[in-house]
This record gives sequence, structure tokens and C-alpha cells, in this order.
Amino acid sequence: GIQVEQSPPDLILQEGANSTLRCNFSDSVNNLQWFHQNPWGQLINLFYIPSGTKQNGRLSATTVATERYSLLYISSSQTTDSGVYFCAVPYGGSQGNLIFGKGTKLSVKP
Amino acid sequence: DSGVTQTPKHLITATGQRVTLRCSPRSGDLSVYWYQQSLDQGLQFLIQYYNGEERAKGNILERFSAQQFPDLHSELNLSSLELGDSALYFCASSGQSSGTEAFFGQGTRLTVV
Repeated sequence: GIQVEQSPPDLILQEGANSTLRCNFSDSVNNLQWFHQNPWGQLINLFYIPSGTKQNGRLSATTVATERYSLLYISSSQTTDSGVYFCAVPYGGSQGNLIFGKGTKLSVKP
Repeated sequence: DSGVTQTPKHLITATGQRVTLRCSPRSGDLSVYWYQQSLDQGLQFLIQYYNGEERAKGNILERFSAQQFPDLHSELNLSSLELGDSALYFCASSGQSSGTEAFFGQGTRLTVV
């Protein structure tokens, strides 16, 4: 089955710094989602980005489907950005039937 | 707020018991998905229902079952519980058209003691 790998597994930043999180996937996909799991466990949708680039405030994401990777950029990080960032791709022909990477745990220090 | 509602938020129960987790999807979404998040296995897809019918199965144990009712809410039943079943259980929903984004509920944290 399709494999999803995220890097780095852990990231510690000083408040105000920028970061790039990477997601590689082993097969072609027609959908990719980025999530933020906050310290209370809630999974928050960040981007639905099968290809191209999207921006939402300080966050942006780029997916290059032909090269099977996606990048999540966080600029001017804040302590509230802390948590785990997951990327997920579908399998089995259903858009919500997702395979998740192991995540990148981000800690932003004040 | 994702629009997906899960109850209860927390559940503590003893080994061998049975529990039911409930999920109400976003308005208009026909698909409901259940996921399990444990420390050792990460986030894993369990099962999908579409408009009342089972559509896909993932790594769901035989002790676990689910159903989706005519009003589209779904229940996940966990029986003969073991310590290893302690996890965060998520429900997600999506629309029926291809390329539709999945939205997740806040999860039910199950602790088996």
C-alpha cells in the first residue's frame, strides 16, 4: 500500500522563526490534507491541497504531485503553533479514507 | 468547529466491558469514517460507512463494530475491551463528491483500566 513519510519527526523553534515540514508519499494521489493536532488532541484541518500552492495567513502549503511530495511552511511561528502536524493521503478510492504519516512534532518556545 | 460532533469526550471503563462511541457528521455529509490514534500505532483508519452501508474496512478488530443510522449518525461499538484498546477515537465525515475534504470530530479519549 501507499507509504507516507514526514520529516523531520521533531522540530524545536524559537518564537518568530520560520520552518518547512515535508511529506513524501510513495504513489500518485489525487488528494492530500495537512492537519494540526493541538495539545488537547483536536485535529484541525489546515489545507486540502492535491496540487499547487495555497496560503492561509502565516501558513502555506505546496504539493508537487508529479514528484510525490508536499511542503508545509510556517512563518513567524507562535507558541500556539505547537503540536503535531500530519499529512494524509487517501487510499481505496475514497477521499476520507486516509493514510496518515507519523507526524512532525513542533515545539515553539517563547 | 469542524461540524462533526463526537460523544462522549472521555470514557473510562474496565477490561472486558463494552462501550459505544457516537458521531454526528457535518450536515449533508453521507460518509462517516472512524479512526484510532494510539501511541504505538499512530492514526489508523478503522472503517467507513456511506449512507448507511459499510464502504471500506481498515485495521478494525473483530471485537469492534460500527453502524450508520438513517439520520446518518454513526456508532462505534467496542467490546471485550483490553488495556491496549486505550486510545483516542476519531470520527470524520466527508461529502459525496470526489475530492471532498474530510473533517474530524474532537475525538473520544478511551481509557481501559
